[in-house]
Amino acid sequence: GAGVSQSPSNKVTEKGKDVELRCDPISGHTALYWYRQSLGQGLEFLIYFQGNSAPDKSGLPSDRFSAERTGGSVSTLTIQRTQQEDSAVYLCASSFQPVNTEAFFGQGTRLTVV
Amino acid sequence: AQRVTQPEKLLSVFKGAPVELKCNYSYSGSPELFWYVQYSRQRLQLLLRHISRESIKGFTADLNKGETSFHLKKPFAQEEDSAMYYCALRLAGGYQKVTFGIGTKLQVIP
Repeated sequence: GAGVSQSPSNKVTEKGKDVELRCDPISGHTALYWYRQSLGQGLEFLIYFQGNSAPDKSGLPSDRFSAERTGGSVSTLTIQRTQQEDSAVYLCASSFQPVNTEAFFGQGTRLTVV
Repeated sequence: AQRVTQPEKLLSVFKGAPVELKCNYSYSGSPELFWYVQYSRQRLQLLLRHISRESIKGFTADLNKGETSFHLKKPFAQEEDSAMYYCALRLAGGYQKVTFGIGTKLQVIP
């Protein structure tokens, strides 16, 4: 595709519900990142996928968060039993490492937990 | 682990004044440093990277390994420079993740 695509753009969910956020990276990009952007917290790293290697999950804030990347392409970030503090904009990015290290970002999913 | 520090959450300057957005990093090796920018209602995008040694939209950044800094500078701020700026670091070589600072909001006052 032309760029990184994320869906949905906005998601409002009730506290305690599970949510899935989707990311379609740029075709052929080997690296995929998830970040969380919230007021006062800046850009928080969540998880990094690189090819077929084991993902770097060191940024996931709790075991309620998980992510998958199927077939080296599409990724899904799942948040179980959502809490109000999970409200944020979730950003996905991809890059074509090691050839081009620039990260291309999606437009983000704004998650609101009520 | 590598770390990126942006000490100012908000920087307000008058139009025409010089701008310096500070970025310090902690890593003993040779990193790649970047500045990303997010304008209002737009995607986060790359502004410049240290290996390119280029000036983008009047902005420059010099990697100072002695001070482990990569400050972003512009001699004369313009209103359209108002945005969130993120400094980022990546370990050089191979497959490495990118670590971002918390960002600095630049507000250019007309």
